[in-house]
Amino acid sequence: DTGVSQDPRHKITKRGQNVTFRCDPISEHNRLYWYRQTLGQGPEFLTYFQNEAQLEKSRLLSDRFSAERPKGSFSTLEIQRTEQGDSAMYLCASSLGLTGHIQYFGAGTRLSVL
Amino acid sequence: DQQVKQNSPSLSVQEGRISILNCDYTNSMFDYFLWYKKYPAEGPTFLISISSIKDKNEDGRFTVFLNKSAKHLSLHIVPSQPGDSAVYFCAAEGTYKYIFGTGTRLKVLA
Repeated sequence: DTGVSQDPRHKITKRGQNVTFRCDPISEHNRLYWYRQTLGQGPEFLTYFQNEAQLEKSRLLSDRFSAERPKGSFSTLEIQRTEQGDSAMYLCASSLGLTGHIQYFGAGTRLSVL
Repeated sequence: DQQVKQNSPSLSVQEGRISILNCDYTNSMFDYFLWYKKYPAEGPTFLISISSIKDKNEDGRFTVFLNKSAKHLSLHIVPSQPGDSAVYFCAAEGTYKYIFGTGTRLKVLA
Protein backbone atom coordinates (compact mmCIF):
# COMPACT_ATOMS: atom_id res chain seq x y z
CA ASP A 1 0.00 0.00 0.00
CA THR A 2 1.62 3.25 -1.12
CA GLY A 3 -1.00 5.60 0.31
CA VAL A 4 -0.93 7.74 3.45
CA SER A 5 -0.80 5.55 6.54
CA GLN A 6 -1.94 6.55 10.02
CA ASP A 7 -1.42 4.71 13.28
CA PRO A 8 -3.28 3.87 15.41
CA ARG A 9 -6.68 3.81 13.77
CA HIS A 10 -8.44 4.13 17.09
CA LYS A 11 -7.27 5.45 20.44
CA ILE A 12 -9.23 5.48 23.67
CA THR A 13 -7.69 7.37 26.54
CA LYS A 14 -8.62 8.85 29.87
CA ARG A 15 -8.82 12.58 30.39
CA GLY A 16 -5.46 14.03 31.36
CA GLN A 17 -3.36 11.43 29.54
CA ASN A 18 -0.99 12.23 26.68
CA VAL A 19 -1.49 10.67 23.25
CA THR A 20 0.67 10.54 20.14
CA PHE A 21 -0.40 9.72 16.60
CA ARG A 22 1.81 8.82 13.69
CA CYS A 23 1.45 9.59 9.99
CA ASP A 24 3.50 8.11 7.15
CA PRO A 25 2.95 10.13 3.96
CA ILE A 26 3.30 8.97 0.38
CA SER A 27 7.05 8.54 0.01
CA GLU A 28 7.83 11.21 -2.59
CA HIS A 29 5.54 13.83 -1.05
CA ASN A 30 7.36 16.66 0.69
CA ARG A 31 4.29 18.38 2.15
CA LEU A 32 2.38 16.97 5.10
CA TYR A 33 -0.77 18.30 6.75
CA TRP A 34 -2.78 17.54 9.87
CA TYR A 35 -6.52 18.12 10.10
CA ARG A 36 -9.15 17.46 12.73
CA GLN A 37 -12.71 16.43 11.96
CA THR A 38 -15.58 16.42 14.41
CA LEU A 39 -19.04 15.00 13.86
CA GLY A 40 -21.03 16.82 11.21
CA GLN A 41 -18.14 19.06 10.21
CA GLY A 42 -15.58 19.08 7.47
CA PRO A 43 -11.90 18.57 8.22
CA GLU A 44 -10.32 21.57 9.97
CA PHE A 45 -6.71 22.47 9.20
CA LEU A 46 -4.26 22.22 12.12
CA THR A 47 -0.69 22.43 10.84
CA TYR A 48 1.55 21.95 7.81
CA PHE A 49 5.11 20.80 7.07
CA GLN A 50 7.26 21.25 4.04
CA ASN A 51 9.98 18.63 4.43
CA GLU A 52 10.97 18.90 8.10
CA ALA A 53 10.02 22.55 8.48
CA GLN A 54 6.75 23.34 10.20
CA LEU A 55 5.62 26.35 8.19
CA GLU A 56 2.25 26.93 9.77
CA LYS A 57 1.09 25.98 13.24
CA SER A 58 -1.10 28.86 14.30
CA ARG A 59 -4.19 26.72 13.88
CA LEU A 60 -3.08 24.15 16.40
CA LEU A 61 -5.90 24.24 18.87
CA SER A 62 -3.91 25.03 21.99
CA ASP A 63 -0.41 24.70 23.41
CA ARG A 64 -1.34 21.15 24.38
CA PHE A 65 -1.06 20.23 20.70
CA SER A 66 2.30 19.81 18.99
CA ALA A 67 3.52 18.18 15.82
CA GLU A 68 6.90 17.11 14.50
CA ARG A 69 8.37 15.79 11.30
CA PRO A 70 11.97 15.19 12.34
CA LYS A 71 13.51 13.86 9.13
CA GLY A 72 11.01 15.12 6.62
CA SER A 73 9.38 11.72 6.34
CA PHE A 74 6.84 10.53 8.95
CA SER A 75 5.15 12.95 11.34
CA THR A 76 3.73 12.74 14.83
CA LEU A 77 0.92 14.72 16.44
CA GLU A 78 0.92 14.83 20.22
CA ILE A 79 -1.87 15.98 22.50
CA GLN A 80 -0.92 16.51 26.12
CA ARG A 81 -3.35 16.44 29.05
CA THR A 82 -6.22 15.35 26.84
CA GLU A 83 -9.71 16.73 27.40
CA GLN A 84 -13.07 15.32 26.36
CA GLY A 85 -13.35 18.06 23.75
CA ASP A 86 -10.31 16.61 21.98
CA SER A 87 -12.39 13.61 20.92
CA ALA A 88 -12.39 13.70 17.12
CA MET A 89 -10.96 12.14 13.99
CA TYR A 90 -7.41 13.30 13.28
CA LEU A 91 -6.52 13.17 9.60
CA CYS A 92 -3.15 13.38 7.94
CA ALA A 93 -2.63 14.30 4.28
CA SER A 94 0.34 14.70 1.98
CA SER A 95 1.01 16.38 -1.34
CA LEU A 96 3.78 16.85 -3.87
CA GLY A 97 4.96 20.40 -3.21
CA LEU A 98 4.58 23.38 -5.49
CA THR A 99 2.97 21.59 -8.43
CA GLY A 100 0.67 19.36 -6.41
CA HIS A 101 -2.46 21.00 -5.17
CA ILE A 102 -4.12 17.65 -4.55
CA GLN A 103 -3.83 16.38 -1.02
CA TYR A 104 -4.04 12.65 -0.34
CA PHE A 105 -5.57 11.67 2.97
CA GLY A 106 -5.02 8.80 5.32
CA ALA A 107 -7.88 6.95 6.97
CA GLY A 108 -7.42 8.92 10.18
CA THR A 109 -7.00 8.21 13.88
CA ARG A 110 -10.20 8.34 15.90
CA LEU A 111 -9.55 9.62 19.41
CA SER A 112 -12.02 9.07 22.22
CA VAL A 113 -11.28 10.79 25.53
CA LEU A 114 -13.24 9.35 28.45
CA ASP B 1 -16.66 32.65 9.86
CA GLN B 2 -17.45 29.77 7.53
CA GLN B 3 -15.62 30.56 4.30
CA VAL B 4 -16.88 27.47 2.48
CA LYS B 5 -20.49 26.44 2.86
CA GLN B 6 -22.47 23.43 1.81
CA ASN B 7 -26.03 24.28 2.71
CA SER B 8 -27.60 20.91 1.92
CA PRO B 9 -26.66 18.31 4.53
CA SER B 10 -28.21 15.51 2.51
CA LEU B 11 -29.47 14.60 -0.95
CA SER B 12 -31.31 11.55 -2.29
CA VAL B 13 -31.32 10.73 -5.99
CA GLN B 14 -32.60 7.81 -8.03
CA GLU B 15 -30.03 5.64 -9.75
CA GLY B 16 -29.36 6.84 -13.29
CA ARG B 17 -30.47 10.41 -12.61
CA ILE B 18 -28.28 13.47 -12.13
CA SER B 19 -26.91 14.40 -8.71
CA ILE B 20 -26.10 18.07 -8.16
CA LEU B 21 -24.14 19.09 -5.09
CA ASN B 22 -23.62 22.75 -4.33
CA CYS B 23 -21.01 24.80 -2.54
CA ASP B 24 -20.66 28.53 -1.82
CA TYR B 25 -17.56 30.42 -0.77
CA THR B 26 -16.80 33.92 0.44
CA ASN B 27 -13.10 34.50 -0.36
CA SER B 28 -12.34 35.38 -3.98
CA MET B 29 -8.60 34.70 -3.43
CA PHE B 30 -8.91 30.93 -3.50
CA ASP B 31 -6.75 29.33 -6.26
CA TYR B 32 -8.32 25.91 -6.59
CA PHE B 33 -11.54 24.23 -5.62
CA LEU B 34 -11.78 20.52 -5.06
CA TRP B 35 -14.38 17.88 -4.34
CA TYR B 36 -13.63 14.97 -2.08
CA LYS B 37 -15.70 11.88 -1.41
CA LYS B 38 -15.70 10.15 1.94
CA TYR B 39 -16.92 6.68 2.83
CA PRO B 40 -17.36 5.65 6.48
CA ALA B 41 -14.12 4.67 8.23
CA GLU B 42 -12.00 6.02 5.36
CA GLY B 43 -10.23 9.28 4.74
CA PRO B 44 -11.48 11.74 2.12
CA THR B 45 -10.66 10.68 -1.44
CA PHE B 46 -9.95 13.24 -4.15
CA LEU B 47 -12.59 13.32 -6.85
CA ILE B 48 -12.15 16.34 -9.11
CA SER B 49 -10.76 19.88 -8.99
CA ILE B 50 -11.03 23.15 -10.85
CA SER B 51 -8.70 26.09 -11.12
CA SER B 52 -10.11 29.50 -10.29
CA ILE B 53 -9.34 30.61 -13.86
CA LYS B 54 -11.69 28.04 -15.38
CA ASP B 55 -15.43 27.61 -15.24
CA LYS B 56 -15.81 23.92 -15.98
CA ASN B 57 -13.87 20.70 -15.57
CA GLU B 58 -15.07 17.27 -16.56
CA ASP B 59 -13.86 13.79 -15.68
CA GLY B 60 -16.04 10.92 -16.78
CA ARG B 61 -19.34 11.07 -14.95
CA PHE B 62 -18.20 14.00 -12.83
CA THR B 63 -18.31 17.66 -13.84
CA VAL B 64 -17.52 20.65 -11.67
CA PHE B 65 -18.82 24.10 -12.56
CA LEU B 66 -17.42 27.31 -11.12
CA ASN B 67 -19.34 30.60 -11.12
CA LYS B 68 -16.88 33.18 -9.82
CA SER B 69 -19.28 36.10 -9.88
CA ALA B 70 -21.69 34.19 -7.65
CA LYS B 71 -18.87 32.56 -5.64
CA HIS B 72 -20.56 29.24 -6.24
CA LEU B 73 -19.47 25.84 -7.46
CA SER B 74 -21.38 22.69 -8.13
CA LEU B 75 -20.60 19.03 -8.75
CA HIS B 76 -22.72 17.13 -11.25
CA ILE B 77 -22.72 13.34 -11.28
CA VAL B 78 -24.35 11.78 -14.33
CA PRO B 79 -25.56 9.07 -14.25
CA SER B 80 -25.66 8.53 -10.50
CA GLN B 81 -24.82 5.04 -9.26
CA PRO B 82 -25.47 3.37 -5.88
CA GLY B 83 -21.68 3.26 -5.31
CA ASP B 84 -21.68 7.06 -5.37
CA SER B 85 -23.47 7.08 -2.01
CA ALA B 86 -21.06 8.86 0.33
CA VAL B 87 -20.40 12.21 1.98
CA TYR B 88 -19.09 14.82 -0.46
CA PHE B 89 -16.92 17.66 0.73
CA CYS B 90 -16.21 20.82 -1.16
CA ALA B 91 -12.80 22.34 -0.40
CA ALA B 92 -11.09 25.58 -1.35
CA GLU B 93 -7.33 25.85 -1.51
CA GLY B 94 -5.88 28.91 0.09
CA THR B 95 -2.22 29.27 0.96
CA TYR B 96 -1.05 25.61 1.42
CA LYS B 97 -4.19 24.52 3.23
CA TYR B 98 -7.69 23.44 2.41
CA ILE B 99 -10.82 24.96 3.86
CA PHE B 100 -13.61 22.43 3.80
CA GLY B 101 -17.35 22.73 3.78
CA THR B 102 -19.45 20.69 6.17
CA GLY B 103 -20.31 18.05 3.60
CA THR B 104 -23.39 16.73 1.81
CA ARG B 105 -24.47 13.13 2.30
CA LEU B 106 -25.55 11.71 -1.06
CA LYS B 107 -27.74 8.65 -1.19
CA VAL B 108 -28.33 7.07 -4.58
CA LEU B 109 -31.39 4.86 -4.52
CA ALA B 110 -31.42 1.70 -6.62
